[in-house]
Amino acid sequence: EVQLVESGGGLFKPGGSLRLSCAASGFSFSSYAINWVRQAPGKGLEWVSSISRISTYIYYADSVKGRFTMSRDNAKNSVYLEVNSLRAEDTAVYYCVRDGSPWAGDSDNWLDPWGQGTLVTVSS
Amino acid sequence: QSVLTQPPSVSGAPGQRVTISCTGSSSNIGSGNDVHWYQQLPGAAPKLVIYTNNNRPSGVPDRFSGSKSGTSASLAITGLQAEDEADYYCQSYDSNRNRVFGGGTKLTVL
Repeated sequence: EVQLVESGGGLFKPGGSLRLSCAASGFSFSSYAINWVRQAPGKGLEWVSSISRISTYIYYADSVKGRFTMSRDNAKNSVYLEVNSLRAEDTAVYYCVRDGSPWAGDSDNWLDPWGQGTLVTVSS
Repeated sequence: QSVLTQPPSVSGAPGQRVTISCTGSSSNIGSGNDVHWYQQLPGAAPKLVIYTNNNRPSGVPDRFSGSKSGTSASLAITGLQAEDEADYYCQSYDSNRNRVFGGGTKLTVL
């Protein structure tokens, strides 16, 4: 079974830092790009970042550029998201999501499957 | 403000057909980029229901269909069932190398 399991969420203070992890299983991890998508409470989905199969390409949404760093370790079948200078507006459920196809390019690919998400709350 | 525009809500009675629109621009859908659709049941993670404009993943009922034309796309659900009540999101790709989503549409089954 293809599975993505996020961890690292919790309550954090404004200005602080955090590191989210995503452990993958059930597929050839190094063959797929991986994404982070977040959803603020009661709001819609926002794509945050993506990383290509061997980390050659890493992209970020403009709203997080400069504060978020995505990385992966193919030996551990894991991806990570480091967030610095936390803001209240970073409060959200963060989903780890695999690209649907190992062959389609970024512009054609879909997001599937999704992890169950990890909640990050930024508050003093 | 989402890059792709969806109606906030739609509704229909059981057995009816509903459609959800997704309007983009020349920098995303209009550039020929594919559109994908996700269903999010209350309290759950999103789930893919249509990929590459009009393809259904295994396990998704054929009551779900998608289409795309120009700078817009649509998700249609026929034979509406109570279990279809959920939020639906469209997604495409933008010229700045970002995946982009619609704001989401809440489907209510009356």
